[in-house]
Amino acid sequence: EVQLLESGGGLVQPGGSLRLSCAASGFTFSSYTMYWVRQAPGKGLEWVSGITGSVGTTYYAASVKGRFTISRDNSKNTLYLQMNSLRAEDTAVYYCARFKTTPDDAEYFQHWGQGTLVTVSS
Amino acid sequence: DIQMTQSPSAMSASVGDRVTITCRASQGIGNYLAWFQQKPGKVPKRLIYAASSLQSGVPSRFSGSGSGTEFTLTISSLQPEDFATYYCLQHYNYPLTFGGGTKVEIK
Repeated sequence: EVQLLESGGGLVQPGGSLRLSCAASGFTFSSYTMYWVRQAPGKGLEWVSGITGSVGTTYYAASVKGRFTISRDNSKNTLYLQMNSLRAEDTAVYYCARFKTTPDDAEYFQHWGQGTLVTVSS
Repeated sequence: DIQMTQSPSAMSASVGDRVTITCRASQGIGNYLAWFQQKPGKVPKRLIYAASSLQSGVPSRFSGSGSGTEFTLTISSLQPEDFATYYCLQHYNYPLTFGGGTKVEIK
């Protein structure tokens, strides 16, 4: 069974840092592109960042580029999101989600974690 | 970046109604589009992938159509459990972008 479990959320002051983790199980983690998606309270979904499986090519939304860093440790089956210079507008539930292993993979975005809440406030 | 314009942003409908939600992409995205349903406090659930393919286990009253820049999610006969917020997502290129969402409420 595919499982994704986020952790690391919490309350942080503006300008602070936080690192989120997403522990994966039930599939060959290193083969999959993985994403972070967030949802501010009462707002819609926003794609934040992605990282490919083995090569580790990274992608970012403009709103977080230069402040957030996505990474992965395939030996630990874990995805990370290092968040620096946090702002009030980064307050959201952060989800990790599994994308594709190959271009033809049709199971993309079927599997999400339960989310972890990040609150940026003084 | 590709903008996804979703309409309407909210709607009221009755059980049994036919509901249509539209997403328009700012440039062609082929069929690289998915639709999600989200209920309050829950994780998004994929309904449709590749613009028109029904996710296994999703009722057949849900259907998707379109390609290029215009896409539609249709619920043929709205059921009580369908009251939720729906999102489209383009994954044609980075950054991936979601539509703004459509909240379907009970009339």
